[in-house]
Amino acid sequence: GIQVEQSPPDLILQEGANSTLRCNFSDSVNNLQWFHQNPWGQLINLFYIPSGTKQNGRLSATTVATERYSLLYISSSQTTDSGVYFCAVNFDYGQNFVFGPGTRLSVLP
Amino acid sequence: AAGVIQSPRHLIKEKRETATLKCYPIPRHDTVYWYQQGPGQDPQFLISFYEKMQSDKGSIPDRFSAQQFSDYHSELNMSSLELGDSALYFCASSLASFEQFFGPGTRLTVL
Repeated sequence: GIQVEQSPPDLILQEGANSTLRCNFSDSVNNLQWFHQNPWGQLINLFYIPSGTKQNGRLSATTVATERYSLLYISSSQTTDSGVYFCAVNFDYGQNFVFGPGTRLSVLP
Repeated sequence: AAGVIQSPRHLIKEKRETATLKCYPIPRHDTVYWYQQGPGQDPQFLISFYEKMQSDKGSIPDRFSAQQFSDYHSELNMSSLELGDSALYFCASSLASFEQFFGPGTRLTVL
């Protein structure tokens, strides 16, 4: 069946450290987005990235659609980066997103 | 820039009651989606509408129904509420099948 996997499931970092989050998906995709869910539950769009590489400040993302994975890079992490990071994928045959299980990030001061 | 609006933001209901959640998509977006996120889980797709017609359906219980109105706002109606319906309900909108923008969510608590 359709699968979206994320790794690692949990990550604890010291403030200032860098990290890489991975998303693997089982089928070809139309769209891929990365979200940050903050402690208040809001889903914040980070990147819309069905392919290629994008950067936004300390964050960047790369999607290699042919190899069915995407990476989210966080550099110089801050405590406000804490929360759950979701990868969500829209497969070729449907409109809705299938979310991965998320990576829970804790950044310690 | 305008964002997706959801109301109410918090809702407390008793078992077997009904609830109505509202969503106002970003202007000119033609597709609306509803997702349910249980505690500690990832969001699960419920239903979507394209140009006011139901376009896709996920794991939405028969007790739930939804519609999109002529002004493009959407409502999710939930009847015979159960404890397990307690969750965060997100509405999202997009232009065609491109980037989805999520609202702040409605937190439903069923007692």
